[in-house]
Amino acid sequence: EPEVTQTPSHQVTQMGQEVILRCVPISNHLYFYWYRQILGQKVEFLVSFYNNEISEKSEIFDDQFSVERPDGSNFTLKIRSTKLEDSAMYFCASSEDRKEEYFGAGTRLSVL
Amino acid sequence: QKEVEQDPGPLSVPEGAIVSLNCTYSNSAFQYFMWYRQYSRKGPELLMYTYSSGNKEDGRFTAQVDKSSKYISLFIRDSQPSDSATYLCAMSGFSGSARQLTFGSGTQLTVLP
Repeated sequence: EPEVTQTPSHQVTQMGQEVILRCVPISNHLYFYWYRQILGQKVEFLVSFYNNEISEKSEIFDDQFSVERPDGSNFTLKIRSTKLEDSAMYFCASSEDRKEEYFGAGTRLSVL
Repeated sequence: QKEVEQDPGPLSVPEGAIVSLNCTYSNSAFQYFMWYRQYSRKGPELLMYTYSSGNKEDGRFTAQVDKSSKYISLFIRDSQPSDSATYLCAMSGFSGSARQLTFGSGTQLTVLP
């Protein structure tokens, strides 16, 4: 069964460092998303991406964040200068039709 | 008022019980409704998707939507210990910022053998 894959499963970084979280969406999907979940809190929308550009973003997705689809298969989330409060699970999701969204297993980001 | 409200539980039931999980919402723009299951430290797994009022059944799972009351439910029949997880409701609308998924806080379910 096709699935969204995310790497790494756990990323540890120092405050102020740049991190790149990677995702391989389901191959025939056209819409891509990043969500995050701070421990014990709700899953929160960060950004959606379609046709090589951001289609929506939340207030959380500030200038420290960027997304890119560098090739036909990968979808990345970059955090330029990590803060302690960026520690969370980051989930990538993809959708064929903007309705059903399928999530990856997530990357746990720990900022020290 | 929060856009999506969900009783966090925890909810504990014996194996074989019927489980009822519920969410209410306030945003009339929401038109698509989903239920996800999330095991500890894993990604949300899509269980059910619906966009119309009424019931949708898939195996032991039934999703119910009442748009007039802004209320959705997920019923699990013949619950199994493997159903123990956190269940998240999520919803989205047709256009603009309403397209993004808005999640409930999740209900933690434990099914006891």
